[in-house]
Amino acid sequence: AQKVTQAQTEISVVEKEDVTLDCVYETRDTTYYLFWYKQPPSGELVFLIRRNSFDEQNEISGRYSWNFQKSTSSFNFTITASQVVDSAVYFCALGGSGTYKYIFGTGTRLKVLA
Amino acid sequence: DTGVSQDPRHKITKRGQNVTFRCDPISEHNRLYWYRQTLGQGPEFLTYFQNEAQLEKSRLLSDRFSAERPKGSFSTLEIQRTEQGDSAMYLCASSLLASNQPQHFGDGTRLSIL
Repeated sequence: AQKVTQAQTEISVVEKEDVTLDCVYETRDTTYYLFWYKQPPSGELVFLIRRNSFDEQNEISGRYSWNFQKSTSSFNFTITASQVVDSAVYFCALGGSGTYKYIFGTGTRLKVLA
Repeated sequence: DTGVSQDPRHKITKRGQNVTFRCDPISEHNRLYWYRQTLGQGPEFLTYFQNEAQLEKSRLLSDRFSAERPKGSFSTLEIQRTEQGDSAMYLCASSLLASNQPQHFGDGTRLSIL
């Protein structure tokens, strides 16, 4: 069965601190895809990144970086120098090779305090 | 560039009534998905279409739920004889055809059952 676990329910940090959101996944597929989405208070899910299972390179985009480790089935997300606008719920999602549905984690609510 | 559009944004109805939601995907996207999100949870997959064909349905999609995408463009999700447990945010997403393409979500329709 496919599963995504985001053990951190809520994290609070002070502005300019770095923060890492954890994501652990389970799948039997050899080809799969991992995603991060941001859901601000307004409600829409905003796509942040996609990672293929055969590409373990880490990625950096501005203040965002992602660490994909197949050995530990983790796909963690780090925000450097957090800002108040980063406050949102962040979801990690898993897509398989034989289906197009995503399995989402329960999300991590990030609060960045000024 | 227009994103995924959902209508209405909010729907309040009495238990037992039927409701219908509409989703207009990004114009060049062949795939369209419906998800349901309850408070404090990640989105849960309901069903998806490739063009006009409904290719996968979740067990969550009881016989009171029906979705259509008659001309491969917009889609409707109907819930008959609504129940209290149907209260949720209903999210629509669309994507291009390739399996690793990210799904782009609309703002959702929030359904409240009185």
